This record gives sequence, structure tokens and C-alpha cells, in this order.
Amino acid sequence: NAGVTQTPKFQVLKTGQSMTLQCAQDMNHEYMSWYRQDPGMGLRLIHYSVGAGITDQGEVPNGYNVSRSTTEDFPLRLLSAAPSQTSVYFCASSRQGPNQPQHFGDGTRLSIL
Amino acid sequence: EDQVTQSPEALRLQEGESSSLNCSYTVSGLRGLFWYRQDPGKGPEFLFTLYSAGEEKEKERLKATLTKKESFLHITAPKPEDSATYLCAGGSGGYQKVTFGTGTKLQVIP
Repeated sequence: NAGVTQTPKFQVLKTGQSMTLQCAQDMNHEYMSWYRQDPGMGLRLIHYSVGAGITDQGEVPNGYNVSRSTTEDFPLRLLSAAPSQTSVYFCASSRQGPNQPQHFGDGTRLSIL
Repeated sequence: EDQVTQSPEALRLQEGESSSLNCSYTVSGLRGLFWYRQDPGKGPEFLFTLYSAGEEKEKERLKATLTKKESFLHITAPKPEDSATYLCAGGSGGYQKVTFGTGTKLQVIP
């Protein structure tokens, strides 16, 4: 049972490049979410999904897109990378929503030059 | 706006020296108060959920408590393996989100 798997673990991009951060869970969880973690700030919600085909914005959605075509996968796309998007990104899942224990992946460390 | 504030930012304890971590919250329609543990280079790992004032939960050397304004994570006779950052988060009644605090970084020295 792998839980929540994120790839890649590390990535360096140049300003303006695009990329997709992958997230997969094998627990059949309906709720999935993406957070970013920056020094001195709490985890901030970027986007979330309450089930396949349903996504919505969190508190810091600008510059990011998501889709949820299957229950298992929830990729996060950076459209045109900016230095302000340098961060550690975490994907999480729970059975039905954020007010249940969330299972987190080990993160993607992203640097934008 | 929902807010979760944790103190202290960092705490250094000798092995066996008990202490408490504080989490103050203002979350509308609190649905749950969560504690997570985060090790360096890893994602947060769930510890506890508390739902109502007066509730307590325990796991090994950790005990979490909840009042109407605060939650405490009590650490009894800590060991070096308890060293980690402990995150607190409050789930709101309406919006599909939880608000995370910035964490307390705990170091337990042998």
C-alpha cells in the first residue's frame, strides 16, 4: 500500500517554463488537494477535488491548473513558472474531505530560476 | 478570516523533560482541530483529531487537548525520536479547507 505518491521529488525550472507535478493515491479516497509550504507560512491550499471530474480553487490558485479524470490521479500544472512559485508542494488525500485525517505525499521541491 | 497560531516557534528539550505546545485558533464553525507531525523532507503525518472542547486524545508520549480557543499538545518524557515539527490545523464548517499553523519545531536532546 503506497499511500500518496508524488513525482518528481525535486525539479529546477527556468522562468516561463511549464510543468506538471504528479500525484497518485491508492486508497480510493474521494478528496484530494494540493498545498504549498513556504518558510514561515503554514501550508496553503492551492486547489482541491471532491471527486473525479470535480475541482475547485483554494486560497492561492493563481498560476496553477488541476484536473481529476480518475479517482487515483490529481496532477498540478504550472502554466508559466515564476520565481514566486519556488516552494515545496504537497499532495494530500482523505476519504471525503479536509475535515478528516489527510494523508500526505512526501512533496516535490521546486525551484524556479 | 480563519487563523491558527502556534507557539513557540521552536522548542529544545532534554530527553525526559516534559512540556506543551500551544495552538490558538479562530476558525468559524470548527469542524475539527488536527495535529500532524512532520519530519524533515517528508510530508505531514496525521496524529489526532479533536472535535469538541474538553476532548482529549493520547498516543504514546503525546496527549492533545482542546478548549474553545486553544489546543495543547503535551509531550511527556520525550525521547530524541520525538524530534520533528508539529503542525496544528483547524477545519472550518463551511468552506472545504483547513487552516494550518506554521508549526513548532521540537528538538529533544539525549
